[in-house]
Amino acid sequence: ETGVTQSPTHLIKTRGQQVTLRCSSQSGHNTVSWYQQALGQGPQFIFQYYREEENGRGNFPPRFSGLQFPNYSSELNVNALELDDSALYLCASSPGTPPWTQYFGPGTRLLVL
Amino acid sequence: DAKTTQPPSMDCAEGRAANLPCNHSTISGNEYVYWYRQIHSQGPQYIIHGLKNNETNEMASLIITEDRKSSTLILPHATLRDTAVYYCIVRVNTGTASKLTFGTGTRLQVTL
Repeated sequence: ETGVTQSPTHLIKTRGQQVTLRCSSQSGHNTVSWYQQALGQGPQFIFQYYREEENGRGNFPPRFSGLQFPNYSSELNVNALELDDSALYLCASSPGTPPWTQYFGPGTRLLVL
Repeated sequence: DAKTTQPPSMDCAEGRAANLPCNHSTISGNEYVYWYRQIHSQGPQYIIHGLKNNETNEMASLIITEDRKSSTLILPHATLRDTAVYYCIVRVNTGTASKLTFGTGTRLQVTL
């Protein structure tokens, strides 16, 4: 069984640019959640996708957007990057059945200069 | 989701049991207790979860008090590889929309 994978592992961007991060969910999982983890902090929920629709959103501005594809993989897009967007971005997938436990990928570390 | 309180750090000798406490005094009847851990710069790893009964799996045991206001994660024989930040999270299992709300966790250091 393949776990959650994310790409790229590391990324460097400059302020104002746009970035796309990718996530492949674990086999059999139809829900993907994205989290942002700043240095020294716990992960913060960005949003969740279920069957290609946004299914919940945390306190993040609209320049954070996402997609989920028919194979349940997902993208996180961030426009107009700011220095504070530098963080570890985590993707978690969960099955569509109880107890909906979320399993995390290794993350993408984004540095905005 | 209810707030949890954990000690910021703990030490444990290798081979001994690590007992990590968590207070969740405002937990609701339909909220589960989840534990995850995060080894430096990696994604969080699911450990265990429970509602009101004690639970055990190959990684750990979860002891939940009868009033459900606190719980303890037990790693029975800690090894150096168990050094990580441990997060206690309470979460409503209402289906796919239930997010995880992480606090700052407990940094467990396992030493020789």
